[in-house]
Amino acid sequence: DAKTTQPTSMDCAEGRAANLPCNHSTISGNEYVYWYRQIHSQGPQYIIHGLKNNETNEMASLIITEDRKSSTLILPHATLRDTAVYYCIVFGDTGRRALTFGSGTRLQVQP
Amino acid sequence: GAVVSQHPSWVICKSGTSVKIECRSLDFQATTMFWYRQFPKQSLMLMATSNEGSKATYEQGVEKDKFLINHASLTLSTLTVTSAHPEDSSFYICSPTGSVDTQYFGPGTRLTVL
Repeated sequence: DAKTTQPTSMDCAEGRAANLPCNHSTISGNEYVYWYRQIHSQGPQYIIHGLKNNETNEMASLIITEDRKSSTLILPHATLRDTAVYYCIVFGDTGRRALTFGSGTRLQVQP
Repeated sequence: GAVVSQHPSWVICKSGTSVKIECRSLDFQATTMFWYRQFPKQSLMLMATSNEGSKATYEQGVEKDKFLINHASLTLSTLTVTSAHPEDSSFYICSPTGSVDTQYFGPGTRLTVL
């Protein structure tokens, strides 16, 4: 699986958009970009995933650059409940192999 | 998204006892089950993978005789920590997967061994 690089931590003001970057310069053509988050003492929660087109769901938006070497997860209006560790994972073998988690980005939403 | 449950959500036990953790996929059939553990301030680490009706395969450094995995049905898998010791204290998370394009996770079980 392609390696990802994320900032260790970020702060965001409540009500503002949180933009979490992820670099994955070695991504291959059949690998998706997945985003999960883990709120303290809970299991990881799926947020969104995409291959090359931008994606949006009720939780977030995923912007993938044209060359697919980086992506940004956008939480449009962050709330205190969005404080969590966010993991960007590049993966192309869903269902057959397990996801590998890196260190992620610790997002702290400030009141 | 898929609904996954784990039981118990937390357990405290004495050293030397065995603890069983259940993981259920409530709205889909899990042909494969991944078990992870997470130590404080660390990320999730895969422990083992099991396919329904088959023996589990364990990651390097995970003792198969200590962490017994049963995946006898498509909706239930159990992880038994045998003769638990304080160093086994951790957050255990299951991830059942089937014919879906997204991996979902259980809420986790916090094990504390005294």
